[in-house]
Amino acid sequence: AQKVTQAQTEISVVEKEDVTLDCVYETRDTTYYLFWYKQPPSGELVFLIRRNSFDEQNEISGRYSWNFQKSTSSFNFTITASQVVDSAVYFCALSYNYGQNFVFGPGTRLSVLP
Amino acid sequence: GAGVSQSPRYKVAKRGQDVALRCDPISGHVSLFWYQQALGQGPEFLTYFQNEAQLDKSGLPSDRFFAERPEGSVSTLKIQRTQQEDSAVYLCASSLERDRGADYGYTFGSGTRLTVV
Repeated sequence: AQKVTQAQTEISVVEKEDVTLDCVYETRDTTYYLFWYKQPPSGELVFLIRRNSFDEQNEISGRYSWNFQKSTSSFNFTITASQVVDSAVYFCALSYNYGQNFVFGPGTRLSVLP
Repeated sequence: GAGVSQSPRYKVAKRGQDVALRCDPISGHVSLFWYQQALGQGPEFLTYFQNEAQLDKSGLPSDRFFAERPEGSVSTLKIQRTQQEDSAVYLCASSLERDRGADYGYTFGSGTRLTVV
């Protein structure tokens, strides 16, 4: 079965702390894509990153970084020096079956306190 | 338009009422998707259009749910005889084409929050 698990339902941190959001996925496909989306209180889903299954290089974009490890089927997301504006629900997602199917995890609600 | 536009932003319906939710995708986007997001959950797939053709409706929860995209641009999701369990945010997403959408990630609208009372 294709599945995305985000074990952390809610996380609270104080501004400037680093925080890591966990994502574990399951798929039988050898070719697939992984994504992170941010959903602020306004409701829209904002695309953050995609990673294909053949590229295990970690990526850094400003305060954001992603750690993809196929051996553990994980695609974790770290925010460095968190800010109040980072408060949102973050979803990890998996695209499989050659892009024909797309499944989201349950989300992690991040609250960054001033 | 510049983004995916959904209307209304909020909808309150009495149980048993019919509702229609509208999605204006990004101009030129071939693929259009509807997702249902229950409170505290991730979005779940409802249906997919490629132009005007509804190619996948496997996620529609019952025959009370109906979607159309008659001219391959604007789409309407209709829910007949609404029930309380239909209360959710309904998200629309579009992409240039389905496979490339999976490559690049879909562009989502802000959703319509439906509350059935």
